[in-house]
Amino acid sequence: ETGVTQTPRHLVMGMTNKKSLKCEQHLGHNAMYWYKQSAKKPLELMFVYSLEERVENNSVPSRFSPECPNSSHLFLHLHTLQPEDSALYLCASSQVHRGLSEKLFFGSGTQLSVL
Amino acid sequence: SQQGEEDPQALSIQEGENATMNCSYKTSINNLQWYRQNSGRGLVHLILIRSNEREKHSGRLRVTLDTSKKSSSLLITASRAADTASYFCATAQGAQKLVFGQGTRLTINP
Repeated sequence: ETGVTQTPRHLVMGMTNKKSLKCEQHLGHNAMYWYKQSAKKPLELMFVYSLEERVENNSVPSRFSPECPNSSHLFLHLHTLQPEDSALYLCASSQVHRGLSEKLFFGSGTQLSVL
Repeated sequence: SQQGEEDPQALSIQEGENATMNCSYKTSINNLQWYRQNSGRGLVHLILIRSNEREKHSGRLRVTLDTSKKSSSLLITASRAADTASYFCATAQGAQKLVFGQGTRLTINP
């Protein structure tokens, strides 16, 4: 148990559906992240929230919409996804000190399949 | 942009042997980290080495960093079947940005 919990573990959705991924961290960290892991590709950093403000958005399509209501919770809202968006979506948290992040703690991920 | 490049992409060894994985990167870094991932699960942090350090140990793990060559290596000694996993290096590029490589898939044969 890493202290970062992601739900659901698996999600199958159609291209017209709207769904949300949820992440919760119990570590008291001040930064949270969404990463995308596709087969045979490096982990892609999608979004970074530090002190509940979005500080990084790696040119992610608008069909992915993050939300960070507080320092412990992070959501990824999904709508009108494409089959190529099928991947493992990983949430992580870390403690940022003097602008630098130390190690990341990852959740177990949500395996998303878009039909 | 992709930063860490692990080499080899796949490695298969016998239990008890040592496993060495390498990572190269392109830009200056604050630190370099190694992570492990079991199939379909999240990543687990193994070890962090700062840009002013050259070597670090943690149990059966030994990490080296050569900033002049922009490379790092992870050595796992006396491998066990439970070490079977994918291993990733990640470079810290400024604040809150950790960039991962594609990973090395390690298989330990009993």
